[in-house]
Amino acid sequence: GAVVSQHPSWVICKSGTSVKIECRSLDFQATTMFWYRQFPKQSLMLMATSNEGSKATYEQGVEKDKFLINHASLTLSTLTVTSAHPEDSSFYICSASHENTEAFFGQGTRLTVV
Amino acid sequence: GDSVTQMEGPVTLSEEAFLTINCTYTATGYPSLFWYVQYPGEGLQLLLKATKADDKGSNKGFEATYRKETTSFHLEKGSVQVSDSAVYFCARGNQAGTALIFGKGTTLSVSS
Repeated sequence: GAVVSQHPSWVICKSGTSVKIECRSLDFQATTMFWYRQFPKQSLMLMATSNEGSKATYEQGVEKDKFLINHASLTLSTLTVTSAHPEDSSFYICSASHENTEAFFGQGTRLTVV
Repeated sequence: GDSVTQMEGPVTLSEEAFLTINCTYTATGYPSLFWYVQYPGEGLQLLLKATKADDKGSNKGFEATYRKETTSFHLEKGSVQVSDSAVYFCARGNQAGTALIFGKGTTLSVSS
């Protein structure tokens, strides 16, 4: 299957700082990318959907000013957690799809805010 | 709202045992249904899927049948192996047919 790479795989940051997570499709053009968040022992919750060149569509309850999503190219989407706080600590996972076909997942990023 | 419910784990089995992981969904209409697997240290991988009622998805000895009458998509395997140890996620397509709604995941541990 196609490869989606997420970076970093884990990050620790201080409260109040911002953190950027990258999601790259390595061997296909991702017209749509999805960002999920997973709390321990919980399911993956969709945060937002982004289409290349357009503004992201956020799910209800997700603060768009806190979780900035950029999808400027067909192979890269970024999620920036701004002014991070301990409650933002979680596992963030991206997936990428070409023309609404099968979505491929990155390995996830473990964010810890201290 | 639309959701996916799968059986709580962990599930612990001996090699060659029969596996069933239950999954039910709520939905408007007939969404596509999926099973994903996450091996330790790796990302989610699509295991199998079914796009319409009565379809059976199968892969690597696993199979699941889309049952609209019971709104279920239970995962089964006749004889598990140690290498099947992983976390299994049931999922359904959202109303737009693009993103996925996931269950909480079920951890399977198979011992020799």
